[in-house]
Amino acid sequence: DGGITQSPKYLFRKEGQNVTLSCEQNLNHDAMYWYRQDPGQGLRLIYYSQIVNDFQKGDIAEGYSVSREKKESFPLTVTSAQKNPTAFYLCASIRGTEAFFGQGTRLTVV
Amino acid sequence: AQSVTQLGSHVSVSEGALVLLRCNYSSSVPPYLFWYVQYPNQGLQLLLKYTSAATLVKGINGFEAEFKKSETSFHLTKPSAHMSDAAEYFCAVSDHDSSASKIIFGSGTRLSIRP
Repeated sequence: DGGITQSPKYLFRKEGQNVTLSCEQNLNHDAMYWYRQDPGQGLRLIYYSQIVNDFQKGDIAEGYSVSREKKESFPLTVTSAQKNPTAFYLCASIRGTEAFFGQGTRLTVV
Repeated sequence: AQSVTQLGSHVSVSEGALVLLRCNYSSSVPPYLFWYVQYPNQGLQLLLKYTSAATLVKGINGFEAEFKKSETSFHLTKPSAHMSDAAEYFCAVSDHDSSASKIIFGSGTRLSIRP
């Protein structure tokens, strides 16, 4: 079945370490997005990509980086510069105006 | 820029009672509006969407929403709540102002169902 696959589902990171969250899609969608979810704050846009080899910062890009070398893949790296990285991260692809979401990765800094 | 405001971070209703989750939007152009549902530790699932066709939109699981331009509202309703409806619900608007297609989400409303 087509969809968005995020891995891992749970991730633990030590302070000062970089960590990469995987997002893969087989929907053949051009646009892919990363959101961060914190309790009571809804979803906030980190980065998005409309096409391969191109991406733009969202509202809270500081401390994060992305790449888009393939249409199917849009990995997110949480760097040591992100001061409060513990959160639930959601990847989505968008066709027209409809978003399709992965199951999320819960990142915890220990 | 477009935005949505969800009124009430937590709504609790009895099983069988009416569910009403409120959403107001701000947009300088005709908006596309959405409701999504999220179960614990899961991604978001589309419930329904308004894209300038009929103002009353029917979605999955018995939910519906009515677009009211005069009130800038897109409230979500269900006539009779079921225990399985307990989840977090997000209202969203599509951003047409920029060259990129973005979806802007509200802060969410957690729906609890009392037996």
